[in-house]
Amino acid sequence: GEDVEQSLFLSVREGDSSVINCTYTDSSSTYLYWYKQEPGAGLQLLTYIFSNMDMKQDQRLTVLLNKKDKHLSLRIADTQTGDSAIYFCAEIQGRDDKIIFGKGTRLHILP
Amino acid sequence: NAGVTQTPKFRILKIGQSMTLQCTQDMNHNYMYWYRQDPGMGLKLIYYSVGAGITDKGEVPNGYNVSRSTTEDFPLRLELAAPSQTSVYFCASSSSNTEAFFGQGTRLTVV
Repeated sequence: GEDVEQSLFLSVREGDSSVINCTYTDSSSTYLYWYKQEPGAGLQLLTYIFSNMDMKQDQRLTVLLNKKDKHLSLRIADTQTGDSAIYFCAEIQGRDDKIIFGKGTRLHILP
Repeated sequence: NAGVTQTPKFRILKIGQSMTLQCTQDMNHNYMYWYRQDPGMGLKLIYYSVGAGITDKGEVPNGYNVSRSTTEDFPLRLELAAPSQTSVYFCASSSSNTEAFFGQGTRLTVV
C-alpha cells in the first residue's frame, strides 16, 4: 500500500490552536481516524470522520476533510499541556479494508 | 470487556533466541494487526489478518511469522531475534470499517 503522510513534528504555544495535517491515499476509505498516543501508552481513538462529511467538531477538536485532495486535518483549539502526544491519522485501505496509519505527528507544547 | 490483551509487557532476548508475542481480543473482531514502533518513530505494519485462517504481510514482515487459528488470537513469532527487532510491538483489532482498538504494547529489547 501507499504511505499515509504526516509531518513528524509540530510545536505550538499553550493556548494557541494546533493544526495537524495528513494526506491519505485511498479515496474509497469510508472512515478516517485520528488517534492519540501519550508517552509510554498505546494508541487511543481521538475522533473520526465519515467520508461523506466535510467537517466534524467535537469540543476543542475540529476535523476537516478535503476528499478531492485526500487531505485530512485535526485542529485542537486552546492547546493545553495535556495535549502533548503523538497524533496518528489512519485510513481504511485496499480491497481488504485494512487500517493503515501515518507515521504520527509529535505535538510539543511551548510554555 | 478486556479488549485487546498483549503479553508479555516487557521482554529481553538474546540475539538468536526465539519468542512469541501473544495477542488476544474478546470483541469478536475479524481484523487483527501487528505493528512495531521504534523509538521516536511511527507505526509500521508487520502483519495483519482479515479473519481466522487468513494472514497477510504488511510493510515490514521479514523476521516475523504469524498465525490466526482462531478469531480471538493472533500471535507474533520471532524465530531468530536480532538487535534490529528491538522495538515496542502493538497488537490491534477492528471490525470491518470501524476503529482499531490497541493493546498496551510489548517492549522488546534484543541484546
